[in-house]
Amino acid sequence: SQQGEEDPQALSIQEGENATMNCSYKTSINNLQWYRQNSGRGLVHLILIRSNEREKHSGRLRVTLDTSKKSSSLLITASRAADTASYFCATVSTGGGNKLTFGTGTQLKVEL
Amino acid sequence: DTAVSQTPKYLVTQMGNDKSIKCEQNLGHDTMYWYKQDSKKFLKIMFSYNNKELIINETVPNRFSPKSPDKAHLNLHINSLELGDSAVYFCASSHLEWGTGELFFGEGSRLTVL
Repeated sequence: SQQGEEDPQALSIQEGENATMNCSYKTSINNLQWYRQNSGRGLVHLILIRSNEREKHSGRLRVTLDTSKKSSSLLITASRAADTASYFCATVSTGGGNKLTFGTGTQLKVEL
Repeated sequence: DTAVSQTPKYLVTQMGNDKSIKCEQNLGHDTMYWYKQDSKKFLKIMFSYNNKELIINETVPNRFSPKSPDKAHLNLHINSLELGDSAVYFCASSHLEWGTGELFFGEGSRLTVL
């Protein structure tokens, strides 16, 4: 079964606005990662947050992790048209080796 | 320099045929993966090799056979192709010793079975 469920499935915003995507997962994890996929391209790693971390920043990205709720959020601030892509969360389960299990993804569209 | 490269990028073939997809990484990673992405963008892991040894083998029909001649290469051979095999197949690599789990993906190989 799918480890991560993302919400919303699709999000459309105006350039300059913030975009928030949420991810819920089912099992205990070692870390949670976010990836971006532009249309017709491969996935690109954005940020990794470990199970003992609660928040992490990278440029315009802010990721939070709540292990008690088994959920994470990705915030993209001051969005740009170039941020239009699908965003996936992925988890490495405790004892799962290096098996990275992906969520269902959020399609983000940033309009000019 | 392409870090993870897959060939071919597009593959159109008839049902029942056999086809292969090749993957190479020049990152010096010790672990490589095959993922399948369906039309709904759902990504599912198929196989993983660490230093040429199979470490992950998900429930995949035995028509799919991965081969890793060395740790920089992981190929995927598919026998007797079926309509349901149509998907985008992604190769990825990582370095298990670093423990982070961050994956580097290729650009994908879009397989269409007619």
